[in-house]
Amino acid sequence: KAGVTQTPRYLIKTRGQQVTLSCSPISGHRSVSWYQQTPGQGLQFLFEYFSETQRNKGNFPGRFSGRQFSNSRSEMNVSTLELGDSALYLCASSFIRGDGEAFFGQGTRLTVV
Amino acid sequence: AQKVTQAQTEISVVEKEDVTLDCVYETRDTTYYLFWYKQPPSGELVFLIRRNSFDEQNEISGRYSWNFQKSTSSFNFTITASQVVDSAVYFCALYTGGFKTIFGAGTRLFVKA
Repeated sequence: KAGVTQTPRYLIKTRGQQVTLSCSPISGHRSVSWYQQTPGQGLQFLFEYFSETQRNKGNFPGRFSGRQFSNSRSEMNVSTLELGDSALYLCASSFIRGDGEAFFGQGTRLTVV
Repeated sequence: AQKVTQAQTEISVVEKEDVTLDCVYETRDTTYYLFWYKQPPSGELVFLIRRNSFDEQNEISGRYSWNFQKSTSSFNFTITASQVVDSAVYFCALYTGGFKTIFGAGTRLFVKA
C-alpha cells in the first residue's frame, strides 16, 4: 500500500511569488491535514479537509489556503510568499480522523529567498 | 487549552544505553489520544504508538516501551539498548478532537557508536 506522497520534495521561491504544494493520501483515506514545521515554531496545524470540506483551520494568515479534490488529493497554496514561510510542509492522511491517527508524508521543503 | 511539553531539547547517549524521553500534556477533555512520532532526517513523521485516555496499560514493543500515567499527565517513551539508527527527533502529540493534533517541540536524540 503506497504511503502519503507529497510533491515536490524541495522548492525554492522568491519573496512575493506564490506556491502550490500537492499531497496524495493513502488509498482509501479521506482526511488530509497540513502542518508547517519550522525550527522556531515547531509543528503547527494549518488545516484539515474531509470529503472536499475544510473542517478546521489553524491560526495562519489568509495567504495560506487549501483545497481537496473528489479523489481526496489535496493542495495547499501560499500566496505572496515571505521569508518566514520557509519551512517543511507536512501532509498527513487519515481514514476518518476520529481518533487522531494520521500517517505523514516526507514533506515539501520550501525555501523563500 | 491543550498543550504538550517535551522539556528535553536534545539527548545524547552512547549506543546500548537506555534512554527515556519525557512528555507532559495538558487538556481538560476526558477523551483524548496521545501519540509518539519519530522524525528521521528524511523528514517523514513515523507513527510509533497511540494511546487513548481510557487505556493506561503500559506497553512494550521490542526495544520500545511507553509509560502512560494520567495522574501526572505524562506519557514517557523509553528506548532500551539504543542503536545509532534510533537517532532522530521524537515528537509527543495530543489529539482531543477538532481534527487537529497538538505536537510538542520535539526531543532530538543522538545515539553515538
